[in-house]
Amino acid sequence: RKEVEQDPGPFNVPEGATVAFNCTYSNSASQSFFWYRQDCRKEPKLLMSVYSSGNEDGRFTAQLNRASQYISLLIRDSKLSDSATYLCVVSLGTGGFKTIFGAGTRLFVKA
Amino acid sequence: DTAVSQTPKYLVTQMGNDKSIKCEQNLGHDTMYWYKQDSKKFLKIMFSYNNKELIINETVPNRFSPKSPDKAHLNLHINSLELGDSAVYFCASSQGQVLGNTFGSGTRLTVV
Repeated sequence: RKEVEQDPGPFNVPEGATVAFNCTYSNSASQSFFWYRQDCRKEPKLLMSVYSSGNEDGRFTAQLNRASQYISLLIRDSKLSDSATYLCVVSLGTGGFKTIFGAGTRLFVKA
Repeated sequence: DTAVSQTPKYLVTQMGNDKSIKCEQNLGHDTMYWYKQDSKKFLKIMFSYNNKELIINETVPNRFSPKSPDKAHLNLHINSLELGDSAVYFCASSQGQVLGNTFGSGTRLTVV
């Protein structure tokens, strides 16, 4: 089983749609959780951290369920500029700074 | 005002050569990383340095040797390059591990 698993997609959605990505992680010692986005031939950029209480940043909502070891990202009112690969990322606990990236979910938003 | 800068951006070299990639961050972060992104786009951590000390060394061939002269710099030297080393190498930095990584723009290494 991969340490961080994501549906690779691609997700093809029209502008204005709501789309949700899911991610599961295998190590229960994981302590920090993130979503990054990566555009083609560019570096990953931090989109948002993920907290157990859930957090929102504009059109983006992230959720963490520690019991199920599950992370989600919801994008509302999709824009063309949201087209990218979304990477689920897990960082292990103290004593190490190991950051594990999922393989990413590809999103295409169409006009 | 690039936060994490790495050079060179592109590197084409022959098998068997030795090459270095340099990385500098001006964010005042205490931790720096090297990642490798292969042709399948899978991003994998190679090394992590915290306050100039090596704290993570994943299963990377010992032909790869990181060096951190100070907290703001983490260089990667690769000996005896092989075809399979062709990838994009990203440098990144963070303050601890709670706030996420800031990445450099990557070095696209092609071994021919």
